[in-house]
Amino acid sequence: EIVMTQSPATLSVSPGGGATLSCRASHSISRNLAWYQQKPGQAPRLLIYGASTRATGIPARFSGSGSGTEFTLTISSLQSEDFAVYFCQHYNNWPPYAFGQGTKVEIK
Amino acid sequence: QVQLVESGGGVVQPGRSLRLSCAASGFTFSTYGMHWVRQAPGKGLEWVAVISYDGDYESYRGSVKGRFTISRDNSKNTLFLQMNSLTAEDTAVYYCAKSGDFNYFDHWGQGTLVTVSS
Repeated sequence: EIVMTQSPATLSVSPGGGATLSCRASHSISRNLAWYQQKPGQAPRLLIYGASTRATGIPARFSGSGSGTEFTLTISSLQSEDFAVYFCQHYNNWPPYAFGQGTKVEIK
Repeated sequence: QVQLVESGGGVVQPGRSLRLSCAASGFTFSTYGMHWVRQAPGKGLEWVAVISYDGDYESYRGSVKGRFTISRDNSKNTLFLQMNSLTAEDTAVYYCAKSGDFNYFDHWGQGTLVTVSS
């Protein structure tokens, strides 16, 4: 099974600042990686798939990069609505499709 | 627009069963794989099961294999999760999710809470 590890667990950022979130896979997953945003009491929302393709309606301040085992989600110029928990998920080949444990982006 | 609406959650005693449903609309249900994903209170996301667009393929996470069954009724645009022999570790919000072009989740329901407690 592939294990996904996210870092850091919590990231404190000032509004208008930038954030870089990391996700590491225990084995190569090519570019079969998605990122989700989850706010309290809400379902997750797809942000990025294919490691770097923004989902429909996702602002350009969200960008994804990486391949193989190392991936990054970058949020530039954080808006108030961006403070949330972010999860990565692999969908390489066969299940189980593991998620990372999440990174909470909080207001500094 | 895509809508996924789960139902069937509630409080159930350990060892008992529960059946979740997910009503889908706004897309051609019969052409997409579907998933169940759960989230224990205050915890992260955990993939549970997948079913292919035609129901011919199913897969489960190890901890639910043999206890949970995913199924679908394409004539009624509905996804199901039959959960048997429930334990406290199954307590979670259960989300149904639609597959994108591959097995990422491009749309999610609002979730239904399952609480296993005596």
